[in-house]
Amino acid sequence: EAQVTQNPRYLITVTGKKLTVTCSQNMNHEYMSWYRQDPGLGLRQIYYSMNVEVTDKGDVPEGYKVSRKEKRNFPLILESPSPNQTSLYFCASSSRSNSYNEQFFGPGTRLTVL
Amino acid sequence: AQSVAQPEDQVNVAEGNPLTVKCTYSVSGNPYLFWYVQYPNRGLQFLLKYITGDNLVKGSYGFEAEFNKSQTSFHLKKPSALVSDSALYFCAAGISGNTGKLIFGQGTTLQVKP
Repeated sequence: EAQVTQNPRYLITVTGKKLTVTCSQNMNHEYMSWYRQDPGLGLRQIYYSMNVEVTDKGDVPEGYKVSRKEKRNFPLILESPSPNQTSLYFCASSSRSNSYNEQFFGPGTRLTVL
Repeated sequence: AQSVAQPEDQVNVAEGNPLTVKCTYSVSGNPYLFWYVQYPNRGLQFLLKYITGDNLVKGSYGFEAEFNKSQTSFHLKKPSALVSDSALYFCAAGISGNTGKLIFGQGTTLQVKP
């Protein structure tokens, strides 16, 4: 089944404790992206990647890092999480980076930083 | 600044009645417009998109959307609502250029009552 998977689905952590949220897609997609969803704000892009070893900042990159060493994986790293990073995070992928291609979303990771 | 607006936080409709979820956009160049649906505890699912051509776009689950360039709108419609259509709906605009960037509206909760 074609899908985007994320782990963990739920995470409660404390301020300053490094964490990684994994994202993997099995559709051989070139493009991958991370979003955060906050009430009343819709989804905002954190980082995106147009291919292996090619990443760039989205609208809200502060406090986050990413890497794209393999085509299928695009982990999101929070080096020193803070409470304002409490949010619902979605990974997405698309066959190409063109803006007219639909994106496929993972199930989401709900992160709480205490 | 480029933006997408969904003016209604919530839309309530009775089962069997037609539904409309509104979206307006402000983007430069030719817009690529999308509707996504989010069911509880799930990721976003693609419903339909407009790239060019016919202003009436048909999508999944009987949904359709009408692109209106003069009013810069892309309203989502369905002739007869089902209780199972109850979900959170997002309108998004693709930004021209090869970044795959999407600008999302804030989302509209659709509540269909039996």
